Amino acid sequence: AQKITQTQPGMFVQEKEAVTLDCTYDTSDPSYGLFWYKQPSSGEMIFLIYQGSYDQQNATEGRYSLNFQKARKSANLVISASQLGDSAMYFCAMREGHYGGSQGNLIFGKGTKLSVKP
Amino acid sequence: KAGVTQTPRYLIKTRGQQVTLSCSPISGHRSVSWYQQTPGQGLQFLFEYFSETQRNKGNFPGRFSGRQFSNSRSEMNVSTLELGDSALYLCASSLLSGTSVYNEQFFGPGTRLTVL
Repeated sequence: AQKITQTQPGMFVQEKEAVTLDCTYDTSDPSYGLFWYKQPSSGEMIFLIYQGSYDQQNATEGRYSLNFQKARKSANLVISASQLGDSAMYFCAMREGHYGGSQGNLIFGKGTKLSVKP
Repeated sequence: KAGVTQTPRYLIKTRGQQVTLSCSPISGHRSVSWYQQTPGQGLQFLFEYFSETQRNKGNFPGRFSGRQFSNSRSEMNVSTLELGDSALYLCASSLLSGTSVYNEQFFGPGTRLTVL
């Protein structure tokens, strides 16, 4: 079974509007971390935001926020006020704790390609 | 502070050859992880080295190997190249090994390998 699922292969958003990128995850480990990365066409993975499984509040970093719904096992990324430079692939990833079986490696979803229209 | 560097950035090889990729982590980082990214399989974990020891290994054949030097620089080697090895190989460094759920990994720009 897929541990990280991103159901939107591609999305379009108008410049200056907000957009939500979906991510659901699957783990039986009570301790885990969720990450979002941005990958421009240049290839480098850029860390955006992190949410820990025990964090009470949703993480925010500038224009990025993470809508964490633990019971639903979802960790959606919200980008407010989209900019042309936000056009890129976005990956959701998870690191499990000791009981998850993945030995602490980052597990990535397939990604969502976001295109921002002027 | 310099980021993660990877050399070479682009590489073209033919089937049956071998290749060595290099990764220099951020200064002070002792963990280096390698990932393979392909359009079909996405991002897949290859292995992690911490303090010159391989800590974890993904589900890849033995043709894929790596090592880490005392200065934390890491090399990845692929022997007997196959067409399916064409991919973007990403290296990531971190302060800690992958035992902490919050262990931010900083990625390099990757090496794009094409096997003809």
